[in-house]
Amino acid sequence: DTGVSQDPRHKITKRGQNVTFRCDPISEHNRLYWYRQTLGQGPEFLTYFQNEAQLEKSRLLSDRFSAERPKGSFSTLEIQRTEQGDSAMYLCASGHSMDTEAFFGQGTRLTVV
Amino acid sequence: GDSVTQMEGPVTLSEEAFLTINCTYTATGYPSLFWYVQYPGEGLQLLLKATKADDKGSNKGFEATYRKETTSFHLEKGSVQVSDSAVYFCALSDRDQAGTALIFGKGTTLSVSS
Repeated sequence: DTGVSQDPRHKITKRGQNVTFRCDPISEHNRLYWYRQTLGQGPEFLTYFQNEAQLEKSRLLSDRFSAERPKGSFSTLEIQRTEQGDSAMYLCASGHSMDTEAFFGQGTRLTVV
Repeated sequence: GDSVTQMEGPVTLSEEAFLTINCTYTATGYPSLFWYVQYPGEGLQLLLKATKADDKGSNKGFEATYRKETTSFHLEKGSVQVSDSAVYFCALSDRDQAGTALIFGKGTTLSVSS
């Protein structure tokens, strides 16, 4: 296992289009987190899963955003009707419920034009 | 709510200089504290952590001590290298709230010149 993997690394989309990102966590980790990072800011929490259950969602996660982790392994983050303000780096992290630290993927950079 | 405050950057140093990046936190519970580093074009990597008061986390010559009395977790390195140029993030995780995600500071950019 080489770590947390995210796909794609870069995505350019037109405003109003839908986009979907994928995250493959470290295999033995039961927790999976999504964060958003804009330029000059630290990562901001969006949502997290323990196994397949989505346990917490940030107020940042508007109704245009949806995340799934159907079998408790990989996760997808979908943004519908993208807006220019959605342009950011979307980071996925995984960890174990017995520990507080998280391991991050390299992120998906979204640009909405 | 919980929060992390880091010193503003950028921090510009010459090689072999001493580095301090200040970090203070506010938490309702008893958090674990972390420093993450983000090299250009890469994802965040855990640099070090401390889980209880007076613990010292260390890695790659970097150190930080969990100071509960001053609610601080300052990052230090005795002699920086050009390869240390990156963005450094202080973060906390509140262990009293199961499943709480990491809360990050805004990051401090370090630039080291030879």
